[in-house]
Amino acid sequence: DMKVTQMPRYLIKRMGENVLLECGQDMSHETMYWYRQDPGLGLQLIYISYDVDSNSEGDIPKGYRVSRKKREHFSLILDSAKTNQTSVYFCASSQGKNAEQFFGPGTRLTVL
Amino acid sequence: GEKVEQHESTLSVREGDSAVINCTYTDTASSYFPWYKQEAGKGLHFVIDIRSNVDRKQSQRLIVLLDKKAKRFSLHITATQPEDSAIYFCAASPNYNVLYFGSGTKLTVEP
Repeated sequence: DMKVTQMPRYLIKRMGENVLLECGQDMSHETMYWYRQDPGLGLQLIYISYDVDSNSEGDIPKGYRVSRKKREHFSLILDSAKTNQTSVYFCASSQGKNAEQFFGPGTRLTVL
Repeated sequence: GEKVEQHESTLSVREGDSAVINCTYTDTASSYFPWYKQEAGKGLHFVIDIRSNVDRKQSQRLIVLLDKKAKRFSLHITATQPEDSAIYFCAASPNYNVLYFGSGTKLTVEP
């Protein structure tokens, strides 16, 4: 059952609090991604992970960090969240070069 | 870096008609162009892609055209159905597995 899961689905935090978004996949995909989606901007890549402990910055990494200690799990961490990090965050995974990316259902984060 | 522009922010067609969504890109190194569909409240779902070694690809009612000289690609949905209603995103990849997305086109298929 090819699936990407994200937890939590909805999250409300106060400015300055730490945030942990979790992503899992059951397809043993090497590559995993974190994106954020804002109205009118499409999806923007925050980080890409090519495998365990092999992470690279995307277009908008500032204010975020990631952790991948197991192939099936990829975490996005916001240390001291800011109001402009209010967004919908999507995780995705893929296998091989320029292959189909499988997306999770998203996490709607609100930072007050 | 790569910039992908998606020209139609909204598109409305009658059921059975064709819908066309156009995108342009800036980086000549881009060689992979996928399309994704997003239904309300859900994640993105892959629909079709095209690579730079061809200029046309068809999968059932979906046709993708690529014009490398003009740096333009388009998604054609023929014989549209109400379930085609969604937001469609184009993307381009100049680097290994890194996608740059357009801003999305909300397609409405009216019965």
